[in-house]
Amino acid sequence: SQKIEQNSEALNIQEGKTATLTCNYTNYSPAYLQWYRQDPGRGPVFLLLIRENEKEKRKERLKVTFDTTLKQSLFHITASQPADSATYLCALDRLMDTGRRALTFGSGTRLQVQP
Amino acid sequence: GAGVSQSPSNKVTEKGKDVELRCDPISGHTALYWYRQSLGQGLEFLIYFQGNSAPDKSGLPSDRFSAERTGGSVSTLTIQRTQQEDSAVYLCASSLVLSGNEQFFGPGTRLTVL
Repeated sequence: SQKIEQNSEALNIQEGKTATLTCNYTNYSPAYLQWYRQDPGRGPVFLLLIRENEKEKRKERLKVTFDTTLKQSLFHITASQPADSATYLCALDRLMDTGRRALTFGSGTRLQVQP
Repeated sequence: GAGVSQSPSNKVTEKGKDVELRCDPISGHTALYWYRQSLGQGLEFLIYFQGNSAPDKSGLPSDRFSAERTGGSVSTLTIQRTQQEDSAVYLCASSLVLSGNEQFFGPGTRLTVL
């Protein structure tokens, strides 16, 4: 069956360190993968999109890698700040039975950056 | 408006009652999605609309759930004969095109079924 796995345990790191979050998937062949940030009581906010033919994408302090052989994406936040504390969701596009494509979200990993 | 809006922000209802949740997408966005998020869980896809095409309802959990999108803009998600397991946050998102583009989410409606 199709599955997206993100570490359900919270990740606690010290301010200034690099946070690395993992998204693993099975039985998907996504054309692209997206990362979102979600704060408590709010809807997710889009951060980055990486396509299957891209190995790495950067945006300011954020970096995403996409390994379609390992079926894994890594999401890095460098020089982390307490304001980066949130839940981070990965999302994969998938081909549905209807022949259309839609996003499927992982359950997210909560990041806590300690000052 | 500047972003996706949803109403109400909170809804408490009794088991067996019907509820309607509203979503106002970003103007010009042709794709609209509904998701459900239970406490501590990821987003569960429910339904999406793309332009004037028939909606993809493959994620709806039961026939008690339905949605419509009038005039290619505002959407309403209706849950009939609510059950306690329907309690969750219902999120709406819109995007410019169906595939690939980022989705813009509303703040959600927290539904509690007593």
